[in-house]
Amino acid sequence: DAKTTQPPSMDCAEGRAANLPCNHSTISGNEYVYWYRQIHSQGPQYIIHGLKNNETNEMASLIITEDRKSSTLILPHATLRDTAVYYCIVSLSWGKLQFGAGTQVVVTP
Amino acid sequence: DAGVIQSPRHEVTEMGQEVTLRCKPISGHDYLFWYRQTMMRGLELLIYFNNNVPIDDSGMPEDRFSAKMPNASFSTLKIQPSEPRDSAVYFCASTSLGDNEQFFGPGTRLTVL
Repeated sequence: DAKTTQPPSMDCAEGRAANLPCNHSTISGNEYVYWYRQIHSQGPQYIIHGLKNNETNEMASLIITEDRKSSTLILPHATLRDTAVYYCIVSLSWGKLQFGAGTQVVVTP
Repeated sequence: DAGVIQSPRHEVTEMGQEVTLRCKPISGHDYLFWYRQTMMRGLELLIYFNNNVPIDDSGMPEDRFSAKMPNASFSTLKIQPSEPRDSAVYFCASTSLGDNEQFFGPGTRLTVL
């Protein structure tokens, strides 16, 4: 599976949108982009995934560039409960996920 | 559904002892995954099963580790003998073919003294 590059940390003000970048320049044509997050002392939680098109669900939006070499996860209105480590993963399927270091997001009041 | 259930939630043992971690997947799920998380190595996939059969155990660190899935509702990860470097949080996750995500349990925090 292709590797991803994420910033180690970022801060976000409560109520504002959080934009989390991810680079995956070696992604292959049939690999998906998955996002999970892990709140402290809990198991990872699925957020969203996509192949080519932008995706939106009740948690977040995923914007994938046309060349698919990077993507952005958008939390539209960050809350304190969104403080977590966010993982961007590139994979052929939901099966064999390789988690990197992720981005530690801290939402501040 | 109660979600993925893991037991125990915390385990403290001494070096050389056998440790057994348990997992009950979500009912109806036919894939089960075992992960290990440490500060140094992050979250690593150890092994996964499909329909109770081990499919990929390439992440299992060494022969001291073994995993079984005797039926669709139960899996164990055993470490024998345990060593201090096995100290970590072990997660179990499950899913089914029609899902797009893995559902993780709360984890078992293992400390080997």
